Amino acid sequence: QQQVKQSPQSLIVQKGGISIINCAYENTAFDYFPWYQQFPGKGPALLIAIRPDVSEKKEGRFTISFNKSAKQFSLHIMDSQPGDSATYFCAANKGSARQLTFGSGTQLTVLP
Amino acid sequence: EPEVTQTPSHQVTQMGQEVILRCVPISNHLYFYWYRQILGQKVEFLVSFYNNEISEKSEIFDDQFSVERPDGSNFTLKIRSTKLEDSAMYFCASSAMTGGTEAFFGQGTRLTVV
Repeated sequence: QQQVKQSPQSLIVQKGGISIINCAYENTAFDYFPWYQQFPGKGPALLIAIRPDVSEKKEGRFTISFNKSAKQFSLHIMDSQPGDSATYFCAANKGSARQLTFGSGTQLTVLP
Repeated sequence: EPEVTQTPSHQVTQMGQEVILRCVPISNHLYFYWYRQILGQKVEFLVSFYNNEISEKSEIFDDQFSVERPDGSNFTLKIRSTKLEDSAMYFCASSAMTGGTEAFFGQGTRLTVV
């Protein structure tokens, strides 16, 4: 019940296209859903996060869509650029807990 | 921009040896964490630390592991007797608020146990 399931495992998108990464969770106590971006040899960097009281959050080219009833959330990267090529992790946390539960990661490759 | 810094960036150690991984969290943060990432796998929570004590730990964080905040700036992870399966990237993170929200990660220490 603590798992966060992420798909796809890898994604190849043309420059200018839309990248979509999906995550699903079981634990309804989760109340914070961040996305992290990780470049090779670096630590995960917080990209954007959402709480379940809103269905969508947009920051620049990055949008989180949240479906509370389906227990799913997704990251949309509009106008994908080669510099977006990285591994993306969704995560979840419940307010009283300290730990983030991460998804398995999606390796995104944006072709020039 | 404030950042979490970790040293060393890469450590090679022999099986059975003790290692200490060091972290300097962001200065005004109160919550500290260690995570690990085995090559090609997801990031896994190890332990969280607040107010000079462990607040949560995972099943991975057994008696071989310990954490300490020896002074006002450093946060360390000690592995007493390393095993081959401890080989991983270890990330320190810190946050200003509870709940793991807005946790900032360091660049990691790659631990290789031979």
